[in-house]
Amino acid sequence: AQKVTQAQTEISVVEKEDVTLDCVYETRDTTYYLFWYKQPPSGELVFLIRRNSFDEQNEISGRYSWNFQKSTSSFNFTITASQVVDSAVYFCAHGYSSASKIIFGSGTRLSIRP
Amino acid sequence: GAVVSQHPSRVICKSGTSVKIECRSLDFQATTMFWYRQFPKQSLMLMATSNEGSKATYEQGVEKDKFLINHASLTLSTLTVTSAHPEDSSFYICSARATLPRDEQFFGPGTRLTVL
Repeated sequence: AQKVTQAQTEISVVEKEDVTLDCVYETRDTTYYLFWYKQPPSGELVFLIRRNSFDEQNEISGRYSWNFQKSTSSFNFTITASQVVDSAVYFCAHGYSSASKIIFGSGTRLSIRP
Repeated sequence: GAVVSQHPSRVICKSGTSVKIECRSLDFQATTMFWYRQFPKQSLMLMATSNEGSKATYEQGVEKDKFLINHASLTLSTLTVTSAHPEDSSFYICSARATLPRDEQFFGPGTRLTVL
């Protein structure tokens, strides 16, 4: 069975610092998807990224970047020049397909201090 | 992206009553919907997979007689918490699977249930 581990329960940094959220996954499947979601205090999940297991290219979207490494089963998420609005709980997740049931990690609560 | 709505967004009920939560895909048809539950400061846990026109598939440990799921149309799935108790207080989130233009899943905004 698949498993997603987010070892960092809480992270607190000062605004403008860079921060990396770690995600390690376990799966026996050769084809799978990995996701990152943001959950602000309102509770609504905000989709950030979906990555297919065959695509190991790192991705950058503005201040966000993701480092996918199958060799270490990791899919880490970095926020550059963090802002207070980045404060939220971030979930890494795994699915068999892009639209199958999703297994979530335990989440990392990120606090950005002004 | 596609829109998924949930109703109500927040509900408070007395212990022993039943509560129905609706999940609607507003601009696409969803043959499959998922129901998740999130207790305070915890992760989302899948409760069940709802397929249009057939019985839902429940995850291990989820009581199917307590959490009734009905997916009667391609745009609506309902979750009924029967005889709710304080320990059922949680944040319930649904998601819907869209197949066009590509296969992906969209989450609803969630329903916060408080059982007194």
